[in-house]
Amino acid sequence: GAGVSQSPSNKVTEKGKDVELRCDPISGHTALYWYRQRLGQGLEFLIYFQGNSAPDKSGLPSDRFSAERTGESVSTLTIQRTQQEDSAVYLCASSLNRNRGEQYFGPGTRLTVT
Amino acid sequence: QQQVKQSPQSLIVQKGGISIINCAYENTAFDYFPWYQQFPGKGPALLIAIRPDVSEKKEGRFTISFNKSAKQFSLHIMDSQPGDSATYFCAARKAGTALIFGKGTTLSVSS
Repeated sequence: GAGVSQSPSNKVTEKGKDVELRCDPISGHTALYWYRQRLGQGLEFLIYFQGNSAPDKSGLPSDRFSAERTGESVSTLTIQRTQQEDSAVYLCASSLNRNRGEQYFGPGTRLTVT
Repeated sequence: QQQVKQSPQSLIVQKGGISIINCAYENTAFDYFPWYQQFPGKGPALLIAIRPDVSEKKEGRFTISFNKSAKQFSLHIMDSQPGDSATYFCAARKAGTALIFGKGTTLSVSS
């Protein structure tokens, strides 16, 4: 079946602009995660959705970052007033549910803030 | 506080050799320990995972060794091949939470 998809694959934006990144999880997966990967670094957790429960936002680095998910489908990560330090690959992953450890990642969105 | 420490940062292995990557964790509540493989420009792909009730898991050329008392786990790649050249990440989580990743190991297998 189809894996996790993300769009756009690349995004170049000017400092101060807002950006929206989209994630389509695997059908039937109720848990969805966003991570950030800076160049040459590991993955940093940003936010986690599980069904209709309140999301775990503990990883969001500032109030410029927010995310939404409608039910168990698409999620959008929004970064307002982008800064150069926001340049990174933003990865989305989904899993069957919060108790299943296996997370499946999309290809990521490479964000460059100029 | 880095909850998952991974070493080495980079590794060069001859074709046919054994690649070994190590991780150490601090939180005894962690109950799931996966390894991910990432090629340039791609998202991480789940390679193999283990839970703390077993000490070893093998899938093909890949083996996880788990030492609960030492809070350490490692990935062994037997008969390493040039196609194994990638970045490897260990991770850990406690039930119902997101994964916490190590900083990654870049493996180069020379032919």
